[in-house]
Amino acid sequence: DAGVTQSPTHLIKTRGQQVTLRCSPKSGHDTVSWYQQALGQGPQFIFQYYEEEERQRGNFPDRFSGHQFPNYSSELNVNALLLGDSALYLCASSLQGGDEQFFGPGTRLTVL
Amino acid sequence: SQQGEEDPQALSIQEGENATMNCSYKTSINNLQWYRQNSGRGLVHLILIRSNEREKHSGRLRVTLDTSKKSSSLLITASRAADTASYFCATDDGNNRLAFGKGNQVVVIP
Repeated sequence: DAGVTQSPTHLIKTRGQQVTLRCSPKSGHDTVSWYQQALGQGPQFIFQYYEEEERQRGNFPDRFSGHQFPNYSSELNVNALLLGDSALYLCASSLQGGDEQFFGPGTRLTVL
Repeated sequence: SQQGEEDPQALSIQEGENATMNCSYKTSINNLQWYRQNSGRGLVHLILIRSNEREKHSGRLRVTLDTSKKSSSLLITASRAADTASYFCATDDGNNRLAFGKGNQVVVIP
């Protein structure tokens, strides 16, 4: 039973570019949450998807958007990249109404 | 937004010793969870304690929760070199939306 998977592992972009990160949830899970973790900090909640809709959103600008597909996988898109967007992006999956979230290994984004 | 605040921020101990970390939070919670992270990679779920629980054990881990003080502690007994990692507490207000602290860096010296 595969856990949460994310791709790519690492990514280097330049300021102003756009990036798409991908996440496949743990088998049987229907809810995907995205977190941003800056170096030396704890993860910050970006948003959560369930039934292909954004259900909750943290304090992130509209440059951050997402999508959930019918198979529950999800994408995180960031437009007009800034240097400050450099971080580890973590995806977590869970069952709607459940307590425990399972995290993927993350995607390390570097913006130059 | 960051809610949990762990204390101490960094801890260095000898193998076999116990490690204790504390976490405080500000708002009402449904549950509090502790995670481990190795070398800036994915988070590993360690233990979850619900707001109506006061203490929970899992292997060498012991977690306490004091909702009146809005604080929690994580105790790792008989530490091993493999316990070297960053440890985060995270609160869930019932919406499955975790608010993390800044984390504790724990180094276990063999």
